[in-house]
Amino acid sequence: QQQVKQSPQSLIVQKGGISIINCAYENTAFDYFPWYQQFPGKGPALLIAIRPDVSEKKEGRFTISFNKSAKQFSLHIMDSQPGDSATYFCAASNAGGTSYGKLTFGQGTILTVHP
Amino acid sequence: DAEITQSPRHKITETGRQVTLACHQTWNHNNMFWYRQDLGHGLRLIHYSYGVQDTNKGEVSDGYSVSRSNTEDLPLTLESAASSQTSVYFCASSSGLAVPNEQFFGPGTRLTVL
Repeated sequence: QQQVKQSPQSLIVQKGGISIINCAYENTAFDYFPWYQQFPGKGPALLIAIRPDVSEKKEGRFTISFNKSAKQFSLHIMDSQPGDSATYFCAASNAGGTSYGKLTFGQGTILTVHP
Repeated sequence: DAEITQSPRHKITETGRQVTLACHQTWNHNNMFWYRQDLGHGLRLIHYSYGVQDTNKGEVSDGYSVSRSNTEDLPLTLESAASSQTSVYFCASSSGLAVPNEQFFGPGTRLTVL
């Protein structure tokens, strides 16, 4: 199965709080895990990505945590801001395999950060 | 600046009509993709192409077709539009020169089938 399951479907956080979005995958051949951010009326844009050779990657307030044995990865947004309000998608691919370049997306999480 | 554009941005059509959505990128990317976005389903891959004259079916390809006659364009055709094809459609491209490589998305086309 190529599924990627994402939760929660929606999330409301107060300004300054921590937003956590979780994803789980089934295909052990996946070796590239990006997160995309989408603002209303716009296309998704790459936010941060991780390969399975590391357990964590941090870029500013955004951190990906990766658990290869559990086949799970998550996005943590520290000090959440109203400008972070968007839809977030996790994704996975077999970057170097026969499905090269194809991404399997999670269902999306609508994040709302209240001022 | 290089970019990826989609047209039209909004389209209303009737059941049974043929509809073509345009996608044009100026990055000279080899890979191009079409997705549909529906609440609760995320982004689902319709068709994709790794280069000129190459096309492949994605997970939700029934009722859709694509053709790749040049590097810049990958038009998506709905042969006979159905109400179930009401959705927001996104085109994306990636260079294919690095592993892995980032997909760049267009602004989307909102299609309504009445």
